[in-house]
Amino acid sequence: DAKTTQPPSMDCAEGRAANLPCNHSTISGNEYVYWYRQIHSQGPQYIIHGLKNNETNEMASLIITEDRKSSTLILPHATLRDTAVYYCIVRVGGTSYDKVIFGPGTSLSVIP
Amino acid sequence: GAVVSQHPSRVICKSGTSVKIECRSLDFQATTMFWYRQFPKKSLMLMATSNEGSKATYEQGVEKDKFLINHASLTLSTLTVTSAHPEDSSFYICSASTGSLISHTFGSGTRLTVV
Repeated sequence: DAKTTQPPSMDCAEGRAANLPCNHSTISGNEYVYWYRQIHSQGPQYIIHGLKNNETNEMASLIITEDRKSSTLILPHATLRDTAVYYCIVRVGGTSYDKVIFGPGTSLSVIP
Repeated sequence: GAVVSQHPSRVICKSGTSVKIECRSLDFQATTMFWYRQFPKKSLMLMATSNEGSKATYEQGVEKDKFLINHASLTLSTLTVTSAHPEDSSFYICSASTGSLISHTFGSGTRLTVV
């Protein structure tokens, strides 16, 4: 799986949009970009994934650059409950046996 | 959606004893489950891939005799930490995949403290 690079930490004011960047310059054509988050002392939670088109769901939006070498996860109106470590992972996906390998992630602190 | 239940959520055991952690897929069958451990302020580290009906595949550096994995059914995988020592104290997390693109549902984790 391709490696990703994320800033180690970010702050965001409550109610503002949180934009979390991720670089994945060695991504392969069949690899998806996945985002997970982990709230303290809980298991990771799936947020969103995409291949090359921008995606949006009830939790977040995912913007992938045209060359697919980077992406941005957007939490449109951050709340205190969004304070967590966010992991950007690129993988082929779609099978039951492919591994999810976590990098260091970005620790997002939402500030009142 | 897919739900993975992990039990217990917390356990304290004495050095030298063994501890079993269960991971269940509640509403889907999981031929493959994964076990991770996580130290404070660190990321999740994949320990092993658990395959139903066959031996687990361990990541490099993980002692298979220390961390016994059994995946006897399509909905249950267990991790047994044998002869636990204080350095085995950690947060253990399992995950299971439905095989779809929205895969890898994670359990809520088990906090193991060895005293």
